[in-house]
Amino acid sequence: GAGVSQSPSNKVTEKGKDVELRCDPISGHTALYWYRQSLGQGLEFLIYFQGNSAPDKSGLPSDRFSAERTGGSVSTLTIQRTQQEDSAVYLCASSPGGTSGSVEQFFGPGTRLTVL
Amino acid sequence: SQQGEEDPQALSIQEGENATMNCSYKTSINNLQWYRQNSGRGLVHLILIRSNEREKHSGRLRVTLDTSKKSSSLLITASRAADTASYFCATVQGAQKLVFGQGTRLTINP
Repeated sequence: GAGVSQSPSNKVTEKGKDVELRCDPISGHTALYWYRQSLGQGLEFLIYFQGNSAPDKSGLPSDRFSAERTGGSVSTLTIQRTQQEDSAVYLCASSPGGTSGSVEQFFGPGTRLTVL
Repeated sequence: SQQGEEDPQALSIQEGENATMNCSYKTSINNLQWYRQNSGRGLVHLILIRSNEREKHSGRLRVTLDTSKKSSSLLITASRAADTASYFCATVQGAQKLVFGQGTRLTINP
C-alpha cells in the first residue's frame, strides 16, 4: 500500500479481555516498530522488528504484551488480560531498515484502545 | 521513559507569525528528528538534522542543533492555520528506536 495501515482504528474492550492490533507496513520496509501514546506517559517505544525477528523488545511493559511479525511484513501486537492502564493509542511505524537510526520512520494512523 | 523535554508545552500564535519550539535531550546522538502529529494520531516526519550539522532548512522550517547544550529548536516561519498540530523531537537510542520529547502543542489562530 501507499502507507502504513493499522486496524482496527478504534477498539473498545472490557478489562480482562485479550486484544490483537494489526499493522501493515510499507511494502519493502524491513524494519517495523510499535509505540504507545498515552496521556500520562507520552510516546513510548514498545518493540522493534528487523525482518521477522525482534532484536529490541525492551519497551514491552509486561508479559501480557507480545508481538510477532510474519513474512517480514504484517505485525500483530497482542495484549492479554487487558487492564485500564493499557488504554492508549498504539502506533506502528516502518522504515527501509538501512543504516541504523539515520532514516525517518513512517507512521500509521494508530489504533485507539479503550479498556473499560 | 521520555528523555527529551520540550518547551513550551503549548504555544498559541496568530497566523503569519513565526513559531519557535525547543527541545533538550540527555544522551549523545547521531541525529535528531522532528515529527508532527495531527489530532493525536499518526506522526509525520518533518526533518532530520545530523550531529555534525548546526542548522538545516526545509521550506518554512528551520532546525538548529547545539550538541554542546544538547538542545535543538524548530522554527516555523509565516505560520498558517494548517500548521496547528503537536510537534515532537526524537532521538535514536540503540539501533533504531526513537525516543520522543513530550511535545509542543501549537495552535495557529486565524
